[in-house]
Amino acid sequence: KQEVTQIPAALSVPEGENLVLNCSFTDSAIYNLQWFRQDPGKGLTSLLLIQSSQREQTSGRLNASLDKSSGRSTLYIAASQPGDSATYLCAPGGSGTYKYIFGTGTRLKVLA
Amino acid sequence: GAVVSQHPSRVICKSGTSVKIECRSLDFQATTMFWYRQFPKQSLMLMATSNEGSKATYEQGVEKDKFLINHASLTLSTLTVTSAHPEDSSFYICSASRLAGGDTQYFGPGTRLTVL
Repeated sequence: KQEVTQIPAALSVPEGENLVLNCSFTDSAIYNLQWFRQDPGKGLTSLLLIQSSQREQTSGRLNASLDKSSGRSTLYIAASQPGDSATYLCAPGGSGTYKYIFGTGTRLKVLA
Repeated sequence: GAVVSQHPSRVICKSGTSVKIECRSLDFQATTMFWYRQFPKQSLMLMATSNEGSKATYEQGVEKDKFLINHASLTLSTLTVTSAHPEDSSFYICSASRLAGGDTQYFGPGTRLTVL
């Protein structure tokens, strides 16, 4: 059974810092992994999708890496801004089942 | 492209009533739709997977008679919470994918259900 852990659970930083959010998963048999952002009381916004054959994906100030064999993914946020404040969720998609199992999330607060 | 909507966005109902939540893929045909629930300050938990024209597959611990899922067309899936109770209060989110498997899931904005 896939288990997903995200570290840290919460993070508060001053504006402008570069951040690394960590995600680890127990079953490496995945077909892709997505990082999402969730604002309070809202749905999910997909940030980055990494296929299992890829090592990283970039979008603007965001960069996500994937090490499938070790069951790890990281989300790097450059030059953080107050608008980045949200909960960040990672979700590996199971190979064969195509189900997403969500991590516990990292609650990020960027202070102006 | 790949927009998923949910209706209603928020619903409040009395205990014992049934509530229907709709999930629509607006600009693509969704062979597979997924339903998740999220309790406050917790992560999303997959409830069931539905393929168009087939019975839904429920995750362990999810009561299929309690949470009725219908995926009658390639653009619409519904989740009906029957005889709702306060413990059913939660945030329900659907996602949709074009293919039966191995495709990106596009998520809806969620429905907040409060049962009094």
